[in-house]
Amino acid sequence: KAGVTQTPRYLIKTRGQQVTLSCSPISGHRSVSWYQQTPGQGLQFLFEYFSETQRNKGNFPGRFSGRQFSNSRSEMNVSTLELGDSALYLCASSLSGSGTGELFFGEGSRLTVL
Amino acid sequence: DAKTTQPNSMESNEEEPVHLPCNHSTISGTDYIHWYRQLPSQGPEYVIHGLTSNVNNRMASLAIAEDRKSSTLILHRATLRDAAVYYCILRSTGANSKLTFGKGITLSVRP
Repeated sequence: KAGVTQTPRYLIKTRGQQVTLSCSPISGHRSVSWYQQTPGQGLQFLFEYFSETQRNKGNFPGRFSGRQFSNSRSEMNVSTLELGDSALYLCASSLSGSGTGELFFGEGSRLTVL
Repeated sequence: DAKTTQPNSMESNEEEPVHLPCNHSTISGTDYIHWYRQLPSQGPEYVIHGLTSNVNNRMASLAIAEDRKSSTLILHRATLRDAAVYYCILRSTGANSKLTFGKGITLSVRP
C-alpha cells in the first residue's frame, strides 16, 4: 500500500512569504503529526491532528498552523517566513495516534528560506 | 514531557551485535518506549516499541529495565545498512500522545 506522501519535496521561499505543505497519510490512518528537523535543534514536534481536530501542539509560534481534511490529508502553513524556518518538515501518520501504534513518516519537504 | 538521553555516537563492526542505550528516568506509567531510525535523506523509520516486557521483531530486540528508567535497542548482527541515527522516544497513550525526540545516537558500522 502507498506510504505517506509529502509535497512539495523541495521549495525555496524568501523572508516574509508564506508556505503551505501537504501530507497525504496512509489510507485508513486518521492521525497525522508534523515535525520540524534542523541540524541545530533536531526533530521537534509541531502538532498532531486526528479526525480533523488538533489534539496536540508543540512549542512553536502562532505563525505555524495546520489543518486536517475529512479525508485525513493534512496541510501545514508557515506565515511570515524567517531564515530560521529553513528545515526539513516531516509528517507522520498512524492509525489512532495513541502511544501503542507505530508512526509512518514521509520523506519530508525541505524548505529553504532566503 | 518525559525526555530521553542517548550517547551522541557509537561504532560497531559489521556482523557484530550492537547495543544502543537510552535513559528515560522521568518515564511515566503510560509511556511507551519507541525506537525509530533515520537513514540519510530519508524520514524516520519505525524499529520497535514496548511498554514493560522485552520485545523482539525481525529488525531488533528491545530490552527494558525492570524500573523502566532505561532501555537498550539490540541489533543482533549489524550491517552497513544499519548505519543511521537512532532515536529513543517516549510516547504516551491516549489522546494527547506527543512525541519528543532527543538528539539521537549516530551509529557507524565498520566493514
